[in-house]
Amino acid sequence: KAGVTQTPRYLIKTRGQQVTLSCSPISGHRSVSWYQQTPGQGLQFLFEYFSETQRNKGNFPGRFSGRQFSNSRSEMNVSTLELGDSALYLCASSLEASGIKDTQYFGPGTRLTVL
Amino acid sequence: GDSVTQMEGPVTLSEEAFLTINCTYTATGYPSLFWYVQYPGEGLQLLLKATKADDKGSNKGFEATYRKETTSFHLEKGSVQVSDSAVYFCAFPDTGRRALTFGSGTRLQVQP
Repeated sequence: KAGVTQTPRYLIKTRGQQVTLSCSPISGHRSVSWYQQTPGQGLQFLFEYFSETQRNKGNFPGRFSGRQFSNSRSEMNVSTLELGDSALYLCASSLEASGIKDTQYFGPGTRLTVL
Repeated sequence: GDSVTQMEGPVTLSEEAFLTINCTYTATGYPSLFWYVQYPGEGLQLLLKATKADDKGSNKGFEATYRKETTSFHLEKGSVQVSDSAVYFCAFPDTGRRALTFGSGTRLQVQP
């Protein structure tokens, strides 16, 4: 079974621009979560989607948004980029067949650099 | 609040040495516990997990036992290899946020 895929793997943007990152979960997985990883803050939770609904959101400004499609694929968007948004963005999927939070499986990440 | 505390790195070992990376957690109840590994330039890979007290997770020679009494989930390996060089993260699910709470990560460097 194919793992979680993320595109693109690398992105370079300038301040003020916006960016969209994509995540395709493992086939059959319905929950998708996004995390930001930086050297200073470590791994921080952004948001989680299930059946096209955002169920929870981390402590990030409104510039960070996301959505999930009917096929469980997810996108996240960051508008008005700031230098501090430079990070590795990780997507994770889980099955949640019974409504219980299952093991999360991560993709390779998208490395975003803001200049 | 919920949190995970991992030993500071980097941990530098010679090949075939014994490895221990300490992890303790503060959580409501007794959640599942995970170890993830991140190789250079890659995302997180699930290394092992344990779902209840006294469970032992194991994979690729790594082991960790869920100790409810000490709220710990220490990672061990009897003989490390250069290829084990990576960053290791201890984590558990925060059911309220539907997210994983991670430790700060421990970098392991194995020298030949």
